[in-house]
Amino acid sequence: DAKTTQPPSMDCAEGRAANLPCNHSTISGNEYVYWYRQIHSQGPQYIIHGLKNNETNEMASLIITEDRKSSTLILPHATLRDTAVYYCIVSPWGSARQLTFGSGTQLTVLP
Amino acid sequence: GAVVSQHPSWVICKSGTSVKIECRSLDFQATTMFWYRQFPKQSLMLMATSNEGSKATYEQGVEKDKFLINHASLTLSTLTVTSAHPEDSSFYICSARDQQNTEAFFGQGTRLTVV
Repeated sequence: DAKTTQPPSMDCAEGRAANLPCNHSTISGNEYVYWYRQIHSQGPQYIIHGLKNNETNEMASLIITEDRKSSTLILPHATLRDTAVYYCIVSPWGSARQLTFGSGTQLTVLP
Repeated sequence: GAVVSQHPSWVICKSGTSVKIECRSLDFQATTMFWYRQFPKQSLMLMATSNEGSKATYEQGVEKDKFLINHASLTLSTLTVTSAHPEDSSFYICSARDQQNTEAFFGQGTRLTVV
């Protein structure tokens, strides 16, 4: 699976949008971009995934650049409960392969 | 979304004893489940891939005789840490994908402390 690069930490004010970047310059054509988050001492939680189009669900929006070499996860109105480690992962869809986790971004939402 | 349940959430055991952790897919069938281990302030590291009805595949450096995996049904995989030592203390997490291969779902994790 392609490697991803994320900043180790970010802060965001409560109520503001949190924009988490991810670089995946070696992504292959069949690889999707997944985002998961892990709140302290819990298992990872699925957030969103996409191939090349921008995606939105009730939790977040995913913006993927046209060349697919980077993406941004947007939490439109961050709350204190969004404080977590956010992982950007690239992996083929429809595969029984495991997800490979990098070091992620520790997002801290400040009151 | 689909639910993966792990049990127990936490366990404390004495050195030399064995501990079994269960991972269940509650509303879907999972032919493949994954076991991860996470040490403090580190990311998740894959330990093994559990395949229903066949032997598990272990990652390099993971002792298959120490970490016994059984995946006897499409909804249950178990990880047994045998002859546990303090260095086995960690956060163990399972994951499963359903047969339609949608996104992976994770259990809530098991905090193992060996004293």
